Amino acid sequence: EIVMTQSPVTLSVSPGERATLSCRASQSVSSNLAWYQQKPGQAPRLLISGASTRATGIPARFSGSGSGTEFTLTISSLQSEDFAVYYCQQNNNWPYTFGQGTKLEIK
Amino acid sequence: EVQLVESGGGLVQPGGSLRLSCAASGFTFSSYWMTWVRQAPGKGLEWVANIKRDGSERYYVDSVKGRFTISRDNAKKSLYLQMNSLRADDTALYYCAKDLLSAAISIGVPDSWGQGTLVTVSS
Repeated sequence: EIVMTQSPVTLSVSPGERATLSCRASQSVSSNLAWYQQKPGQAPRLLISGASTRATGIPARFSGSGSGTEFTLTISSLQSEDFAVYYCQQNNNWPYTFGQGTKLEIK
Repeated sequence: EVQLVESGGGLVQPGGSLRLSCAASGFTFSSYWMTWVRQAPGKGLEWVANIKRDGSERYYVDSVKGRFTISRDNAKKSLYLQMNSLRADDTALYYCAKDLLSAAISIGVPDSWGQGTLVTVSS
């Protein structure tokens, strides 16, 4: 099973600033990596698939990069609605696995 | 608009059974792989099982293999999860989700999710 490790566990950033979240896979997942946002009491929301392709309706301030084992989600200028938990997920090998999440909180 | 509505959750004793359902609308249900993902209280996400468009292929995470069965009824636009021999560590919010793309193989990226149904396993 591929283990996905996200860092940091918690990230404190001020509104308007840039946030960089990391995700590492225990073995290569090529570009088969997705990012999700989850707010309290809500279902996850797909942000990025294929490591860098934004899902429908996702603002351009969200961008994904990386391949192999190292991936990054960048939010260029944080808005109040962006403070949430973010998960990465590999869809390269079954069982598909998620990272443990990064909580993005207001500084 | 895609809608996925889960039902069937509740409180069950260890060793008991539950059947979850997910009613789908707003898309061609029979064209998509479907998935169950769960989230234990205060914890992260875990992929549980997924099923091919025609039900001919099913995959399970090891922790539920032999205890859970995923199935679907394309005529009713419904997805199911039969859960037997339930354990305390199965306690979670169970989400139904559809794959991002209509494809013969699993893309493994859920793009639409229901709001979940809570399963609590406790004596």
